[in-house]
Amino acid sequence: QLVLTQSPSASASLGASVKITCTVSSGHKYAIAWHQQQPEKGPRFLMKLNSDGSHNKGDGIPDRFSGSSSGAERYLTISSLQSEDEADYYCQTWDTGIQVFGGGTKLTVL
Amino acid sequence: EVQLVESGGGLVQPGGSLRLSCVVSGFTVSSDYMSWVRQAPGRGLEWVSVIYSGGSTYYTDSVKGRFTISRDNSKNTLYLQMNSLRAEDTAVYYCARHDWFDPWGQGTLVTVSS
Repeated sequence: QLVLTQSPSASASLGASVKITCTVSSGHKYAIAWHQQQPEKGPRFLMKLNSDGSHNKGDGIPDRFSGSSSGAERYLTISSLQSEDEADYYCQTWDTGIQVFGGGTKLTVL
Repeated sequence: EVQLVESGGGLVQPGGSLRLSCVVSGFTVSSDYMSWVRQAPGRGLEWVSVIYSGGSTYYTDSVKGRFTISRDNSKNTLYLQMNSLRAEDTAVYYCARHDWFDPWGQGTLVTVSS
């Protein structure tokens, strides 16, 4: 069964960096996507992240957002944190006939 | 520019029906995988259904037999027919493109309540 696991919360100071983790249950081969959801807004695609760490970002996503992979772990790193980065971050993956979301990580910018 | 615009949400009684629409522009709805995703109030994102470019359709277990995903290529529109609605179907419903949901629509709110 394909399951994505995220920590429920994370926090970091304004201007600092933060790394959010998503763990893929069913092996290391899966690409994932990261999505951002700011308060009271719809989700926004950030990037598609492959198992080798290569990633393709969505239109207009700042360079401050990057992705990386290690084994079953998929990471979203946000550098030079800004107040507007305070949001929920969801990882998501797919296989034939199924789409799966992680439970989301609520990022607080201190 | 790629755009997805949902409509059709509203207030419906338990057991009722609604049809959601997602009008797309900037690409052809039949050429890509298209999904519906929902978010109940205060909850996380939940995948609902996908239609593949070849026409195959899949659903999450909780909506099987009640919801039907389809598309009209002539109107470049994706649909979600929702029957036998329950209170737990109350959510904002989004359409999205590709396996990796790029981009998302703005969402349409469905409220199931008496």
